[in-house]
Amino acid sequence: DQQVKQNSPSLSVQEGRISILNCDYTNSMFDYFLWYKKYPAEGPTFLISISSIKDKNEDGRFTVFLNKSAKHLSLHIVPSQPGDSAVYFCAASAWDTDKLIFGTGTRLQVFP
Amino acid sequence: DAGITQSPRHKVTETGTPVTLRCHQTENHRYMYWYRQDPGHGLRLIHYSYGVKDTDKGEVSDGYSVSRSKTEDFLLTLESATSSQTSVYFCATRDRGPSSYNEQFFGPGTRLTVL
Repeated sequence: DQQVKQNSPSLSVQEGRISILNCDYTNSMFDYFLWYKKYPAEGPTFLISISSIKDKNEDGRFTVFLNKSAKHLSLHIVPSQPGDSAVYFCAASAWDTDKLIFGTGTRLQVFP
Repeated sequence: DAGITQSPRHKVTETGTPVTLRCHQTENHRYMYWYRQDPGHGLRLIHYSYGVKDTDKGEVSDGYSVSRSKTEDFLLTLESATSSQTSVYFCATRDRGPSSYNEQFFGPGTRLTVL
């Protein structure tokens, strides 16, 4: 049973436009959510996170929105740049565990 | 970023042979994790450690064992490799404290091919 779902395997966006990556979760105990970015042949790198006490967290071009009632979060990248082309993983954890549960990833391609 | 290295970076082996992957960290992080990444499955947790000699299973632990005799090293062993264990393996670390507000840092990965 996939507790964290990224239903779009891929996304293509023009440079300068907004990229929106989506993530859904099923476990209501999750209270901390993260986004990781992964380039080919490298390990994932942490991008941005949000705790369940917030509904928005912003870091430069990256903003994560959390809708707890819908069990949905999204990552907005504005403006998108070619260097943002990567696989993005959503992850979630509950306060009483030491583990992250990852989604299957979305491959973002930003074209000129 | 935490100083995390993995060795080997690439390995090709035959079915039935034992394989050990090593993860080494220089950040003195308490927690260490082993994941595998497969198309369509994302990152799945194999085993993790919450201290020296303290380990626990993840969601895909069958066929794998781990050991942690020192804070800085976390070994993943495939006792008898199978073709289904062909994958990219990532090690990750996390500092002390509750899971919330504490991201994991990942190593560069090991690509394992079992023929």
